[in-house]
Amino acid sequence: ETGVTQTPRHLVMGMTNKKSLKCEQHLGHNAMYWYKQSAKKPLELMFVYSLEERVENNSVPSRFSPECPNSSHLFLHLHTLQPEDSALYLCASSPDDISGNTIYFGEGSWLTVV
Amino acid sequence: DAKTTQPPSMDCAEGRAANLPCNHSTISGNEYVYWYRQIHSQGPQYIIHGLKNNETNEMASLIITEDRKSSTLILPHATLRDTAVYYCIVKSPYTGNQFYFGTGTSLTVIP
Repeated sequence: ETGVTQTPRHLVMGMTNKKSLKCEQHLGHNAMYWYKQSAKKPLELMFVYSLEERVENNSVPSRFSPECPNSSHLFLHLHTLQPEDSALYLCASSPDDISGNTIYFGEGSWLTVV
Repeated sequence: DAKTTQPPSMDCAEGRAANLPCNHSTISGNEYVYWYRQIHSQGPQYIIHGLKNNETNEMASLIITEDRKSSTLILPHATLRDTAVYYCIVKSPYTGNQFYFGTGTSLTVIP
């Protein structure tokens, strides 16, 4: 138990569907992240939020839409995805201080686009 | 943040020490060395981090060379549950919150 909870753990969706991934952290952290991990590829940083403000968007297609309503919750809204978007989506959080902070990951959400 | 180089894979006998190397020859003075691991189908797990002194916790030891251009993660008594991909990351706490993961070292602990 890392203190970062992701739901659902598994999701199958069609290319025309709209779905959302949810992440909740119970660590009192101020920064939250979405990463994507495709098969046999390194983790790709998608979005970074600090104090509910998006501070990084790594050229992610607009069919992925993040939302951070407060410092404990992070969503990834999905619409009109492609089969190549099938991957493990990982949420993470960190304290957002400057003293060598560490990052804590959830268990991930496995997404399959059919 | 500095780039790191790790061997793609390693084997270790169960019960023996696993020594995982990482080269970070372009590391700068304020950059920390972090180690994470990812067991198959799970999120990465923090192991340890350090700046220039050797560090030890309940999971592992981190040995950083005096010139800080390389480091070694030591799992003192490897178990089958330590089979995972191990990532070495060099990052400054002053360049934001972004952690970038490379391809890591796939460690297989053999019975």
